[in-house]
Amino acid sequence: GQSLEQPSEVTAVEGAIVQINCTYQTSGFYGLSWYQQHDGGAPTFLSYNALDGLEETGRFSSFLSRSDSYGYLLLQELQMKDSASYFCAVRDQTDKLIFGTGTRLQVFP
Amino acid sequence: DVKVTQSSRYLVKRTGEKVFLECVQDMDHENMFWYRQDPGLGLRLIYFSYDVKMKEKGDIPEGYSVSREKKERFSLILESASTNQTSMYLCASSPLEDNEQFFGPGTRLTVL
Repeated sequence: GQSLEQPSEVTAVEGAIVQINCTYQTSGFYGLSWYQQHDGGAPTFLSYNALDGLEETGRFSSFLSRSDSYGYLLLQELQMKDSASYFCAVRDQTDKLIFGTGTRLQVFP
Repeated sequence: DVKVTQSSRYLVKRTGEKVFLECVQDMDHENMFWYRQDPGLGLRLIYFSYDVKMKEKGDIPEGYSVSREKKERFSLILESASTNQTSMYLCASSPLEDNEQFFGPGTRLTVL
């Protein structure tokens, strides 16, 4: 079967750094994406990794290790507005996304 | 600004009714997708389409059908709604072979 595992919940304080891990087991792999979803909102794209290594976009970075079937999203200088759910998703060869069950991040003052 | 719109934010229907959920995108994207989102289960793909009049089953197509008569519009149809189809339904679109999917605001469907 196909599965993506990520922690269900993570908590942190403002200004801290948090890492959300994602391990995957899928029949095809073309890349790992991360999406953010605020309560009541639509998922929005954060990042995509097709190759091993770290991709940085402002306060957010995403890492991929294809040999370990593992990736993570790193959020730095946390702000209250970062409180949201974060989903990893594997893109397969047909452009489909297979989503993880999501990690709810709560940022406290 | 890219935009995916869905016909309703909230919808209440009765068991056995036929339900149409509409999705329109203005970005000329080839790919369109329908997901349902349930607590603890993430987003699960129902159907997707690469082009007009083309459709492919996703992971949970049972009880659903779709229609794509125009490139910008992708409809999800519940032929006979059941209570276990109460969920948040999200539509998304993307260019062909592109990494980013753009999501609509979602339709929260309640089937009584």
